[in-house]
Amino acid sequence: KAGVTQTPRYLIKTRGQQVTLSCSPISGHRSVSWYQQTPGQGLQFLFEYFSETQRNKGNFPGRFSGRQFSNSRSEMNVSTLELGDSALYLCASSTQGSGEQYFGPGTRLTVT
Amino acid sequence: QQPVQSPQAVILREGEDAVINCSSSKALYSVHWYRQKHGEAPVFLMILLKGGEQKGHEKISASFNEKKQQSSLYLTASQLSYSGTYFCGTGAGSYQLTFGKGTKLSVIP
Repeated sequence: KAGVTQTPRYLIKTRGQQVTLSCSPISGHRSVSWYQQTPGQGLQFLFEYFSETQRNKGNFPGRFSGRQFSNSRSEMNVSTLELGDSALYLCASSTQGSGEQYFGPGTRLTVT
Repeated sequence: QQPVQSPQAVILREGEDAVINCSSSKALYSVHWYRQKHGEAPVFLMILLKGGEQKGHEKISASFNEKKQQSSLYLTASQLSYSGTYFCGTGAGSYQLTFGKGTKLSVIP
């Protein structure tokens, strides 16, 4: 089976812009979770989707949003980018959301 | 509340053993362990569930003390390939994992 894929792998944006990141889960996986990884804070949970429904949201401002499509692919959007949004954004897929998660390679976002 | 991992970093020689601890202030339903090598995505190692069920790789062992809300990961006879940052993620019954800040393990020849 193909693994989790994320596009793009690298992105450079300027403050105030918005960005959309994409995640394609492993075939058959219906749960997709998103995480932000920074050196200081580690892995922080953003949100989790299952069958197009957001079931959980982490402690992030409303500028961070996401959605999931009927084929389980997911996107996350960050509006009005700030310098502090620079991070590695990882998505992970699983069958139910509560079991083992398979991470994608991540999207490295740099905000200048 | 983010779980606390200890130690923050450890250096081992090949063949030595190590224990990584994960402690939470919240009641836990599950503890998940992942390893991330530099520049790579985290890789699943093990899940420990309330009630004693465990799922994971054969060469990895871990414990989960539900009363103390603690988990420990045991790495025995370490190999160079064990190097990386180990994260514990705690689940409180919802579809959300809260990860600790990680323990950096370096195995040297």
